[in-house]
Amino acid sequence: GENVEQHPSTLSVQEGDSAVIKCTYSDSASNYFPWYKQELGKGPQLIIDIRSNVGEKKDQRIAVTLNKTAKHFSLHITETQPEDSAVYFCAASIQGNTPLVFGKGTRLSVIA
Amino acid sequence: DAGVTQSPTHLIKTRGQQVTLRCSPKSGHDTVSWYQQALGQGPQFIFQYYEEEERQRGNFPDRFSGHQFPNYSSELNVNALLLGDSALYLCASSLNLWGGEQFFGPGTRLTVL
Repeated sequence: GENVEQHPSTLSVQEGDSAVIKCTYSDSASNYFPWYKQELGKGPQLIIDIRSNVGEKKDQRIAVTLNKTAKHFSLHITETQPEDSAVYFCAASIQGNTPLVFGKGTRLSVIA
Repeated sequence: DAGVTQSPTHLIKTRGQQVTLRCSPKSGHDTVSWYQQALGQGPQFIFQYYEEEERQRGNFPDRFSGHQFPNYSSELNVNALLLGDSALYLCASSLNLWGGEQFFGPGTRLTVL
């Protein structure tokens, strides 16, 4: 089955700097890659997703890139703000067919 | 528009007891999936319900069972609780099985003593 590895496990950045979180997946059939943000005491919230027919997707300060050949995808957050501090999870699935398989998460701290 | 709701928020049980957790999906959604999130880990898929039937199941023992009602709400039942069942239990809803994005509820924090 699918296995998703996520790095780093913790990340501290200065406010205004960029943050990058990377994930690799094992099943070449996976075609849907969402990113979730989880704040303390809350459930995961979808922030951006990408499907395997595109290589990059951007939404304001957040972008995701996908390299199908290497089987890895990354989350990029620019101009970080203190409210970006949270745990971020990547996930992979075969959309329409399999459940999400999550990475172990990255705890992002944005220092003001 | 109400999102996914779960009850209770917190629950404390002792080993060997049974527990029932409840979930109401986002308005318009017909599919409910349950995930277990251990401390410091990502969510792990338990099972999925659609049209009142279990459609897919993750690697969890049959102590974990569920149900979906005609109004699409769902219950997760865990029998013979173990210390290792302590976790945040998340419900996610979507439309038409895996066809759309999944929206998560706030979770139920279960502590087994």
